[in-house]
Amino acid sequence: EPEVTQTPSHQVTQMGQEVILRCVPISNHLYFYWYRQILGQKVEFLVSFYNNEISEKSEIFDDQFSVERPDGSNFTLKIRSTKLEDSAMYFCAGEGTSGRAQEQFFGPGTRLTVL
Amino acid sequence: ILNVEQSPQSLHVQEGDSTNFTCSFPSSNFYALHWYRWETAKSPEALFVMTLNGDEKKKGRISATLNTKEGYSYLYIKGSQPEDSATYLCAFSAGNMLTFGGGTRLMVKP
Repeated sequence: EPEVTQTPSHQVTQMGQEVILRCVPISNHLYFYWYRQILGQKVEFLVSFYNNEISEKSEIFDDQFSVERPDGSNFTLKIRSTKLEDSAMYFCAGEGTSGRAQEQFFGPGTRLTVL
Repeated sequence: ILNVEQSPQSLHVQEGDSTNFTCSFPSSNFYALHWYRWETAKSPEALFVMTLNGDEKKKGRISATLNTKEGYSYLYIKGSQPEDSATYLCAFSAGNMLTFGGGTRLMVKP
């Protein structure tokens, strides 16, 4: 059964450094998402991506964040200059078809630790 | 700001017990309510996507109901097994993005 993969599983970085989190969604999916969960808090939406552009983003997704789907397979989240408060589990998700009542398929997450 | 709440936060039951937990969500601008099962170090796994008021869905020993007018959904597990131990997340959708509750962590003792 196809699955969403994410790399790395754990990333440790110094404050101020750039990180790129990678996701390989299921190949026929059309909508892509990034969510994150800070330890002890709820999973929160960051950004949705469709047809090679951002379709929706939350207040968290400021100028330090960017997303790309450069080659039609990888879907990346870049944080330009990490802050301590960016430490969280980051999840990528994909959805197959247009229409809003579809299940989203999640990857296992990347745990980002900013020191 | 959308508020999605789940209760209880955690639950310990014995193998064989039946259990249920609650998700409450805004009753306006409702499009769908999602339930996920999430085991540590694994991907959250979709259980149900529910859209219609009064909807009831079932997958094996797990079922869910939906009341969109009052803004709640129940998840039921019949005859809990140790492998049911996980965090159960609900998520409200008014568009494409999901707004999650805090989850209910279920531990089933053999």
